[in-house]
Amino acid sequence: SQQGEEDPQALSIQEGENATMNCSYKTSINNLQWYRQNSGRGLVHLILIRSNEREKHSGRLRVTLDTSKKSSSLLITASRAADTASYFCATTSGTYKYIFGTGTRLKVLA
Amino acid sequence: EAGVAQSPRYKIIEKRQSVAFWCNPISGHATLYWYQQILGQGPKLLIQFQNNGVVDDSQLPKDRFSAERLKGVDSTLKIQPAKLEDSAVYLCASSLGLANEQFFGPGTRLTVL
Repeated sequence: SQQGEEDPQALSIQEGENATMNCSYKTSINNLQWYRQNSGRGLVHLILIRSNEREKHSGRLRVTLDTSKKSSSLLITASRAADTASYFCATTSGTYKYIFGTGTRLKVLA
Repeated sequence: EAGVAQSPRYKIIEKRQSVAFWCNPISGHATLYWYQQILGQGPKLLIQFQNNGVVDDSQLPKDRFSAERLKGVDSTLKIQPAKLEDSAVYLCASSLGLANEQFFGPGTRLTVL
């Protein structure tokens, strides 16, 4: 079963623009993580936010978490062509079982 | 630091045949995961080990899939017999512990004809 649903399913932007993608989930969580997947580097961890945190930054990435709405957002600022990839949210709950979402396909046009 | 190793990278078999995948996690990582990723979907957790014990295998089709992690290090995932719908990429990941960031291997692309 997929707990996370990313929105939008696909996103196309120009280089230098910001990209925002959202993740909604169904049950209470321990933490939420974002991963990136492209053909060159496979699946790579981007950032982890714990259930008691509301916002986290890492370089050009900003993640927010709203546990009351069971949602998270990932903002990529000043996007580059190299950011072209699929982005997945993954939640852990209970026994730290991981559930990945359906993914957002981001295309950054040069 | 060496990453997660998986083999083979590609495998083509006919339905009803058996196949096995191997994974060697990052040294010192206690937690090991096997995922199935069908084209266009997110990874689906099949089984999760903590050292050599199973933490979760609720989504593992146990009538045909099996996995083991002997000595709490490397792991094998087996499918017997394979079905057409098993065509997917099988990903292995490891982490220091439960809920830490996961490091993924390159995956094995399985095609069942």
